[in-house]
Amino acid sequence: GNSVTQMEGPVTLSEEAFLTINCTYTATGYPSLFWYVQYPGEGLQLLLKATKADDKGSNKGFEATYRKETTSFHLEKGSVQVSDSAVYFCALTPYNNNDMRFGAGTRLTVKP
Amino acid sequence: GAVVSQHPSWVICKSGTSVKIECRSLDFQATTMFWYRQFPKQSLMLMATSNEGSKATYEQGVEKDKFLINHASLTLSTLTVTSAHPEDSSFYICSARWALVYNEQFFGPGTRLTVL
Repeated sequence: GNSVTQMEGPVTLSEEAFLTINCTYTATGYPSLFWYVQYPGEGLQLLLKATKADDKGSNKGFEATYRKETTSFHLEKGSVQVSDSAVYFCALTPYNNNDMRFGAGTRLTVKP
Repeated sequence: GAVVSQHPSWVICKSGTSVKIECRSLDFQATTMFWYRQFPKQSLMLMATSNEGSKATYEQGVEKDKFLINHASLTLSTLTVTSAHPEDSSFYICSARWALVYNEQFFGPGTRLTVL
């Protein structure tokens, strides 16, 4: 079936450190891939997405590249800020399918 | 564009009562709406999928009679938690699919339900 495996947290970094959160997926065909961010007490906000192989999604300094050969969509940011503290979810939607699958979520804490 | 709202944002109720949560797509027509449940420090669990004018499709293990979903229009879906009990306390999140945006769901801000 379709699934997402996400690096377990929590992750604690100092401000301006480099961030990587690993995400791999299992799916048939070519799924669309997403990263969502959830701040405390709030719903999900789309951070970035990619819909085909080799696409790079980017937003607010975050980037992720759709790697078909490694079935991965790792999230990276060169220099994190305290305001980036949140829970990050990797997700996929199979090709031509409504069903969205989420990873377990990774809690990021950035300390000043 | 593609804004989804939920009402209420939080609700506290007594055990045995029913609670209705509304999910609205504010600036688009949602072909499909989804309801998720999220326990503290956990991921989202899909509860059901609903299409306007038809019965919702529930995920395995979700009680249809307990979680009533009505998708009355292309902009409104409601989730009613019937005879709520403390174990139903959770964060409920809805999302909506817009036909013009491929393979993406737009999420509401969530509703925190606490059953005393």
